[in-house]
Parts: sequence; C-alpha cells; structure tokens
Amino acid sequence: NAGVTQTPKFQVLKTGQSMTLQCAQDMNHNSMYWYRQDPGMGLRLIYYSASEGTTDKGEVPNGYNVSRLNKREFSLRLESAAPSQTSVYFCASSLTGENIQPQHFGDGTRLSIL
Amino acid sequence: AQRVTQPEKLLSVFKGAPVELKCNYSYSGSPELFWYVQYSRQRLQLLLRHISRESIKGFTADLNKGETSFHLKKPFAQEEDSAMYYCALSATEYGNKLVFGAGTILRVKS
Repeated sequence: NAGVTQTPKFQVLKTGQSMTLQCAQDMNHNSMYWYRQDPGMGLRLIYYSASEGTTDKGEVPNGYNVSRLNKREFSLRLESAAPSQTSVYFCASSLTGENIQPQHFGDGTRLSIL
Repeated sequence: AQRVTQPEKLLSVFKGAPVELKCNYSYSGSPELFWYVQYSRQRLQLLLRHISRESIKGFTADLNKGETSFHLKKPFAQEEDSAMYYCALSATEYGNKLVFGAGTILRVKS
C-alpha cells in the first residue's frame, strides 16, 4: 500500500520551461491537495480537489494549473516556471474534504528553477 | 496577519527534559486544530488532533480558546522525537482547508 505517490522526486528547470508534477493515491480518497513548502512559511495550499471532477484555488494558485484526471490522480502544472516557484511540493489526500479528516502526504518533489 | 503562529523555529532540549512546542492561532470561532510531524526522511504525517483528545507517542495538546493556543507537550523528551512539527488549523472561514504554521524543529540532545 503506497499511499500517496509523487513523481518526480527532484527536478531542475530553467526559467520559462514547463513541467507537470504527478500525484496518485491508492486509498480511494475523494479529496486531494497540492501544497508548497518554503522556509519560514510552512505549507501553503496551491490548489485542491474536493472530489473527482472539481478543482479550486487555494492560497497561492498564481502560476499553476491542476488537473484531477480521475479519482486517483491529481497533477500540478507549471506552464512557465519562475525562480519564485523554487520550492518543495507536497501532494496530499483525505477521505473527504471535511476538516476533521486527516490528510495523508506524499514524499514531496524538490523543484529548483534557475 | 498570520493565522497560525509557531514562534520558535528551533527548540533544542536534552533527553528526558519536558517539551512544549507553542502554537497560537487567530480565529474567533471554533476551529479544528492539528499537529503534524515530519521525521527525517519520512513523510509528513498527522500526530494528533484536538477533537480526538488523545495522547500519541506521549504527546498531548490542549485547546485553550481563551488564549487561542494549542501547545504540544511531552513530559520527557526522547531522541526519536527529533523532527519538524507543524501546527495546523481548519475552520469554516478558511473553507475548511488546513492552514499551517511555519513549523518548529525539535532537536533532542543526548
């Protein structure tokens, strides 16, 4: 049981390049999330998907797009990468979007943009 | 304004000493509060949540609405408690989504 799987684990991009971060969960969860983690700022929500077929903006959505491909998969796309998007990206899932449900996290993707 | 404040970036204690990781929040209603932990080379995971009123790995946390705090405590620190700890809040005002503090690194020295 892998839980939440993120690929790739590391990536270096040049400014202006595009990239898609992949996330898949095998827990039959309905809700999925993308966060970025920056020093001194904790985790900030980029986008989330309360259920298959829906996506909504989080706290810091600018420069990103998402796709909830099916119940298992939720991808994050950077169309034109900028150095300010250098960060560690975490995908998470929860059974539902209710606030009492714990979120399960992936290992993270460390992204550097030069 | 920061909604979840963890005032200490780093807390260093000796093994066997008591630990208190501070968390204050800005919210006037009744939030749900959580502590998440990330051990070295492991995934971020839920440690405990106030609604469960549980003790996990010897840690407890009490919600103090008067002081708007949810401090994490353990009477006797162990070396394996060394990790990054995040306090998080979920509230209707924030769309029931988790809002994280900046995190505190706990280092337990032998």
